[in-house]
Amino acid sequence: DGGITQSPKYLFRKEGQNVTLSCEQNLNHDAMYWYRQDPGQGLRLIYYSQIVNDFQKGDIAEGYSVSREKKESFPLTVTSAQKNPTAFYLCASSIDGRPLATSSYEQYFGPGTRLTVT
Amino acid sequence: GQQLNQSPQSMFIQEGEDVSMNCTSSSIFNTWLWYKQDPGEGPVLLIALYKAGELTSNGRLTAQFGITRKDSFLNISASIPSDVGIYFCAGRLGGNNRKLIWGLGTSLAVNP
Repeated sequence: DGGITQSPKYLFRKEGQNVTLSCEQNLNHDAMYWYRQDPGQGLRLIYYSQIVNDFQKGDIAEGYSVSREKKESFPLTVTSAQKNPTAFYLCASSIDGRPLATSSYEQYFGPGTRLTVT
Repeated sequence: GQQLNQSPQSMFIQEGEDVSMNCTSSSIFNTWLWYKQDPGEGPVLLIALYKAGELTSNGRLTAQFGITRKDSFLNISASIPSDVGIYFCAGRLGGNNRKLIWGLGTSLAVNP
């Protein structure tokens, strides 16, 4: 069964600690994305990666870091520098690929991780 | 970042009624996507639109890519309780731009 997995579903941390959220996909998609979702604010892009060993900042990258060492994996680290880390975090992937087809940009989401920092 | 204007913000309807929602932008888009999100879950892609004027259906859902390429519409016919959730629109600007621009969502409640 192909899909995107995020673990854990719920995560609790103390303020000042770094925490890493997992995202794995077996869809053979080239591109992967991390979003943050807060009530009433929709989805905001944190980082995205079009290819292994390369990634770009999204709209709210401050206080976050990522790596893309494998095509299947795109972990997100929420650092202690992130001022309001409590949120619902969503990982997504898209085919991307070459040559680009119209469906290349459709993003498919994992189930999300709810992070609570106290 | 840029956001789409999605309306209405919320709807409360009776089971069996039809639903309409829309997204508008000041920018021209090459792609419109509609997603549904259940509480505590990730969004699920419902319909993808790629051409101005395109009308696409997925069961009781129908979406249209506006002629001006600055808007899109989603209709749900004969609503049922499982339609409850938040519906998001997302648009993609042209070229190699992979980033999606998102609406704030329409929250739908259905009274059985």
